[in-house]
Amino acid sequence: QSVLTQPPSASGTPGQRVTISCSGSSSNIGSNYVYWYQQLPGTAPKLLIYRNNQRPSGVPDRFSGSKSAASASLAISGLRSEDEADYYCAAWDDSLSGVVFGGGTKLTVL
Amino acid sequence: EVQLVESGGGLVQPGGSLRLSCAASGFTFSSYEMNWVRQAPGKGLEWVSYISSSGSTIYYADSVKGRFTISRDNSKNSLYLQMNSLRAEDTAVYYCAKDNGFRSGWYDYWGQGALVTVSS
Repeated sequence: QSVLTQPPSASGTPGQRVTISCSGSSSNIGSNYVYWYQQLPGTAPKLLIYRNNQRPSGVPDRFSGSKSAASASLAISGLRSEDEADYYCAAWDDSLSGVVFGGGTKLTVL
Repeated sequence: EVQLVESGGGLVQPGGSLRLSCAASGFTFSSYEMNWVRQAPGKGLEWVSYISSSGSTIYYADSVKGRFTISRDNSKNSLYLQMNSLRAEDTAVYYCAKDNGFRSGWYDYWGQGALVTVSS
């Protein structure tokens, strides 16, 4: 059972917009930044969004992040086949004194 | 170019010990916090441990507290994870991750991972 709650799966067709939610509490998302990671099969995770809604250089602007209270969302617009991957949210948890991850969402491009 | 290269993984019996290393290059290692994150086969990511740039502040996940020890040698640009009293549930790919924030979860670079298998 992960501290941050994500839907286990999401799907969309090419060109569509999909969103992935991440629900936490006041001790993590509610009081700290949220980070999103993309993990392609057989590879290490890659930073996708930092500080709630910032994109590292090289990440397409099709990816966007938002946060409200103790929840966050990752939106992917103009879905492409190469976006098929696992997506994880993460945040520091003040009560646990550590980073907590969501359980991950497997995105399928139909 | 930033590179993180883990080593030291392998097969170990329950109750045994293993030491992972992470060799860092391409950035000023002594200026950044570092972390270990693991992923059990077919499962999600789990944060394991954090160490500050100087090594003076350390945190552990409850699941490894008292069994694992994180350390670093800034003169060798290296991060370590000493794992004792290993259990089957510690079987995972262990990643070292460079922290770009302060107690944040902002991991801008990851190693390729080292597989640790705990089995008799």
